[in-house]
Order: sequence, then C-alpha cells, then structure tokens
Amino acid sequence: EVQLVESGGGLVQPGRSLRLSCAASGFTFDDYAMHWVRQAPGKGLEWVSGISWNSGSIGYADSVKGRFTISRDNAKNSLYLQMNSLRAEDTALYYCAKDMSIAARGDFDYWGQGTLVTVSS
Amino acid sequence: SSELTQDPAVSVALGQTVRITCQGDSLRSYYASWYQQKPGQAPVLVIYGKNNRPSGIPDRFSGSSSGNTASLTITGAQAEDEADYYCNSRDSSGNLYVVFGGGTKLTVL
Repeated sequence: EVQLVESGGGLVQPGRSLRLSCAASGFTFDDYAMHWVRQAPGKGLEWVSGISWNSGSIGYADSVKGRFTISRDNAKNSLYLQMNSLRAEDTALYYCAKDMSIAARGDFDYWGQGTLVTVSS
Repeated sequence: SSELTQDPAVSVALGQTVRITCQGDSLRSYYASWYQQKPGQAPVLVIYGKNNRPSGIPDRFSGSSSGNTASLTITGAQAEDEADYYCNSRDSSGNLYVVFGGGTKLTVL
C-alpha cells in the first residue's frame, strides 16, 4: 500500500524558516518524480514544486521561487521542502504527491494527508 | 507560466450527465489530469492522460480534450460525486512547471 506521510508543519513567524518532510512507502521511490502541492484555507490547489526521480529536473511555482528548495533522498525514501522567508500568504495545508512518471508528467496518483503551515506573528 | 480556467460551480440532477471544463493554452500540448476533492480529504486522481481511470474509479467518469479545452464528464451523476474538481497539466514552456485550474464545485441536486 502506497503511503505518503508529511511532517514538519506548524506555526512560524513571518520571515522565518521551516522544513517539511514526506516519508514514502509502498512503492519504489526512486522510480517516480515527486511534488509538493498546497491549499490555503478555503482555496484551491496550488502546485508548489516538483522534482524528477534523480533530482536532475526541478521546478518551482513563481510564488515560491528563490525562497523554497525541494530535495529528495532516495536512500531514505524521503522528500523535503525547505521554506525560507515565509510570508502570511504561504499559510496552507501542504501535500506531498507522487507523480505517475519518472520525469514529472504532472499526474499525481497518490497524495498524503498534508501538513499545516501557519505563518503568523 | 500558463493558466487553467474552470467554471467555479456546476450543478447536475441526480442520475444526469454533467461536463466540467478546463481551458488553457497548455492543453494544446499536454493532457489534463482531473482530481476530485471532498471536504476534509486529500484530492483523488480520477482521470489522467487521454482518458484513463486509475483503479477503483467508476467508469461513469471519463475525460476528453479538444484544442485548448479539456473536459471531465460524469455520466449518471451520483450523490457521492458532489465534490470539488480540479484539472491540472504541465506548463507548455517545457520546463518542470505544473498548473492547476481554480476548481469547480459540483453540486448534485
């Protein structure tokens, strides 16, 4: 059974940093691209960042480029999102999502339950 | 980056057919995927590629595409289909960039 379990969310002050983690199991992690998708309270889904199977291809939404860094550790079956210079508008539920392809086709067949990030003073 | 546009809300009578659309330039190059999200739950993939359903998704869900418009059709809508539906696709720039539509709230009457 595929499982994606996010962690690392919490309450953080504007301008500070936070690192999210996603522990994957139930599939061959390094055979697939992975992504972070967020959803602000009461709002729609927003793609945040994606990474190919070998970290050779990485992309970021314009709203987070230069502030967030995605990475993965295939030996640990884990995906990460380092979030710096956080803003109030980054407040959201952050989902880890598995891509159906090795190169990030954009079809997300499994999602975690999300970890909540709240940016507030 | 590209944008995908969806109608904010659509309604359908129980047992009838409904089409939810998604428009954007990226859809001329890439297929859309469709996700169903119910309150308090993570999204679920319902359609991907040309018209593919993941295991466990009922065959009343189908997808199609023409030009810059992708459509999700539910044939014989059920009460449990009431949910938010989102489309997404790769951006047409060729870079690793994914876009989501704003979502459509489906009400089953």
